[in-house]
Amino acid sequence: GQNIDQPTEMTATEGAIVQINCTYQTSGFNGLFWYQQHAGEAPTFLSYNVLDGLEEKGRFSSFLSRSKGYSYLLLKELQMKDSASYLCAVRDLDSNYQLIWGAGTKLIIKP
Amino acid sequence: DVKVTQSSRYLVKRTGEKVFLECVQDMDHENMFWYRQDPGLGLRLIYFSYDVKMKEKGDIPEGYSVSREKKERFSLILESASTNQTSMYLCASSLESVGQPQHFGDGTRLSIL
Repeated sequence: GQNIDQPTEMTATEGAIVQINCTYQTSGFNGLFWYQQHAGEAPTFLSYNVLDGLEEKGRFSSFLSRSKGYSYLLLKELQMKDSASYLCAVRDLDSNYQLIWGAGTKLIIKP
Repeated sequence: DVKVTQSSRYLVKRTGEKVFLECVQDMDHENMFWYRQDPGLGLRLIYFSYDVKMKEKGDIPEGYSVSREKKERFSLILESASTNQTSMYLCASSLESVGQPQHFGDGTRLSIL
């Protein structure tokens, strides 16, 4: 079956680093997306990984290991505005290339 | 910047009504999607469309239908609204190429009384 697992909620301190994990089981993997969603707003695209390794984009980085079915989103120099939900989504060949979404991780940043 | 516009941010309807949710995108994207988002659950795909007049069922199509008469517009229809369709509805669009992200509208919070 298809399944995406993320922690429900995490708390971190302003200025620190936090790692949000995502594990997945899908029949046919074809890429992994990370999105940010502030409360009451639309999800916005953060990153895309299709090959193993680390993709860095400013304060945000995303890592993928296809053999382990594992990804993480790394947020550095945390700011209060980073308080949001972070959604992991996997593109699945056996679901007509549609995205399978995790339930999201709510990240709370404390001063 | 891609702009995906949903017709209403908040909507209240009564059980049994026919409800129309409209979505328009301005970037000539081939793909358009309708999701619902409920607390504790991931986004669930209702319907999607790869082209004008084309539609495919997603994971939870029951009780819904869609229409795509023009490339930029994708409408979601609740044929006879029920209380279990109270939810946040999100429209998205994307280019057809692999790896292209989906761009979302601000969502419609629909309450069925």
